[in-house]
Formats: sequence, C-alpha cells, structure tokens
Amino acid sequence: DADVTQTPRNRITKTGKRIMLECSQTKGHDRMYWYRQDPGLGLQLIYYSFDVKDINKGEISDGYSVSRQAQAKFSLSLESAIPNQTALYFCATSDSGSQETQYFGPGTRLLVL
Amino acid sequence: GENVEQHPSTLSVQEGDSAVIKCTYSDSASNYFPWYKQELGKRPQLIIDIRSNVGEKKDQRIAVTLNKTAKHFSLHITETQPEDSAVYFCAASKYDYKLSFGAGTTVTVRA
Repeated sequence: DADVTQTPRNRITKTGKRIMLECSQTKGHDRMYWYRQDPGLGLQLIYYSFDVKDINKGEISDGYSVSRQAQAKFSLSLESAIPNQTALYFCATSDSGSQETQYFGPGTRLLVL
Repeated sequence: GENVEQHPSTLSVQEGDSAVIKCTYSDSASNYFPWYKQELGKRPQLIIDIRSNVGEKKDQRIAVTLNKTAKHFSLHITETQPEDSAVYFCAASKYDYKLSFGAGTTVTVRA
C-alpha cells in the first residue's frame, strides 16, 4: 500500500541523539497516528492527530513529540533517544468520513545504541 | 482506558484445520472491533471488522463473532492454509476512534 509512506525505513542512532521519523500519505485522510510495536506487546499508540491543528497524546507519549505539518504529513520526534526506544514504529491514517479502518505505513525500524 | 486481552499468544494448527483467537475488552462503550493480520516483515492490514450492532460477520474463510454481554470477540479461520501464517491482532475502539490493540497471536500453519 504505497499510499502511506514512512522515512527512513531503518535507522541506527546513538543515545542522546535527536531523531525524526516522517510519515506521508496520499489517501486524503484527515486522521493520522503513530504507534510503536514491541515483541509481545502489540501496537501502542504514541500520538494521534484528527486534523492539522489537533494533536493528542496516546498511551506512551513520554519521550516523544509530533508535528502535523500538513494534512498529509505527520512527523514523530525523539528529542533525546534512549535504548528502550528501540522498536518498530508505524504510522497509520484513517478517514473521519467513513469507517474507522486504519491504514498502516511500512514501518520504521529504529535501533538506539 | 480500554484494555484488550488476546489469547492465545501462539497457535499452531495443521493445514486444513480451524484456528480460533479470542479477545476480551474492558470498556462496555467500545463499539468497533477490527482484526489485523501482520505477515513477517510487513505492515498490519485489516482483514475483517465488526460493529457492536452485529453479532457475527463472515468473509470467505474468516469470521468474527461478538458477545457484547460478556465483552469478548473472536476470530475464526477455517480450512487454514500456509498463507494464513502470520501475527493477528485484535483491537477495540469507542466513538473516539482510538484503537486499543491486543498483544497479538502468532499463528503457524503446519503443512
């Protein structure tokens, strides 16, 4: 599903570094989400945005921040990365005008050393 | 917030047999219950969903049932095939459109 893209796909960084993960979508959806996936823990919601001026914390927002630059773009930042932020990160989108189906991007695999 | 528990965490079935995954949720206001399939190295993709005004929904070899009174819902896969091997996630949401996911079930279909 090339409608939701994430960059980079893989990233290795060091403790204390600032890193930004980017998500873009061409689906025209107004809602966007950032999730973190760890083995055995499923998908945990970090932040979500229902439109450009709306930003909300999810279950595990500590240590993360987001920016909704446009309806099609939603970025996740780690201001000072730490090793336990090593995980697989997914962006997702949904359309408020129809069903609540969320469409996921391909994921970004992040390793913090 | 909503708490979704999913069982079992792993499931191994013989090709052609059925697989059942069960989830329970805590918030009686939840009204939307999707199931996602994640193949190895891929993104989660919706395979079926059900709303609280429906008790059962079927799509070819997969079906989902919902028991609102008991607050649980289940995914049923019949005539399993090797391509059904994946991690399956259940989820629940309310009017706020935030999905709370279960921890996932790794299904392995043995040839």
